[in-house]
Amino acid sequence: DAKTTQPPSMDCAEGRAANLPCNHSTISGNEYVYWYRQIHSQGPQYIIHGLKNNETNEMASLIITEDRKSSTLILPHATLRDTAVYYCIVRRAYNNNDMRFGAGTRLTVKP
Amino acid sequence: NAGVTQTPKFQVLKTGQSMTLQCAQDMNHEYMSWYRQDPGMGLRLIHYSVGAGITDQGEVPNGYNVSRSTTEDFPLRLLSAAPSQTSVYFCASSYSTAGPNEQFFGPGTRLTVL
Repeated sequence: DAKTTQPPSMDCAEGRAANLPCNHSTISGNEYVYWYRQIHSQGPQYIIHGLKNNETNEMASLIITEDRKSSTLILPHATLRDTAVYYCIVRRAYNNNDMRFGAGTRLTVKP
Repeated sequence: NAGVTQTPKFQVLKTGQSMTLQCAQDMNHEYMSWYRQDPGMGLRLIHYSVGAGITDQGEVPNGYNVSRSTTEDFPLRLLSAAPSQTSVYFCASSYSTAGPNEQFFGPGTRLTVL
């Protein structure tokens, strides 16, 4: 599976958009990009996933570059409750076993 | 739906003791898995199951056993606890292994082995 690279930490002001980058330059054509987050010590929570096109749901937007080598998770109006570790994961669609969690990005939303 | 539930929330064991971490889901999910998370690190897959009666090893299976007698339950057994197994354990489930789908995680069990 493709490895991902994320910055270890980021800060964001409350109410502003949080843009979390992820590099996955060795991604294969059949691999999806997933984002999860882990708030404090809770279980990870699914946010969004995508293959080629940009995706949006009630939580966030996912922007994938045309060459698919990188992506950005956007939280449009960050709140204090969005403070968490965010994981970018690349895995094949049919294989849940390929969920490789790295160290992620620790996002701190500040008032 | 309760989602994915795990018991106990906390457990302290002595080296050499055995115990079972319980995991249950009420979403009729085919796929269930166990992860461990050590301090400051991401999750690592221990064992997984693609359906009742079917289990397989993940990335770090040594020292753990699993079984899947029903769709709902997926217990994790520590045969002879070691301090290296001190960790937070998460159970997860998803609808199937086919196609892109999200995994739902339980709240975790914090295990300390003395």
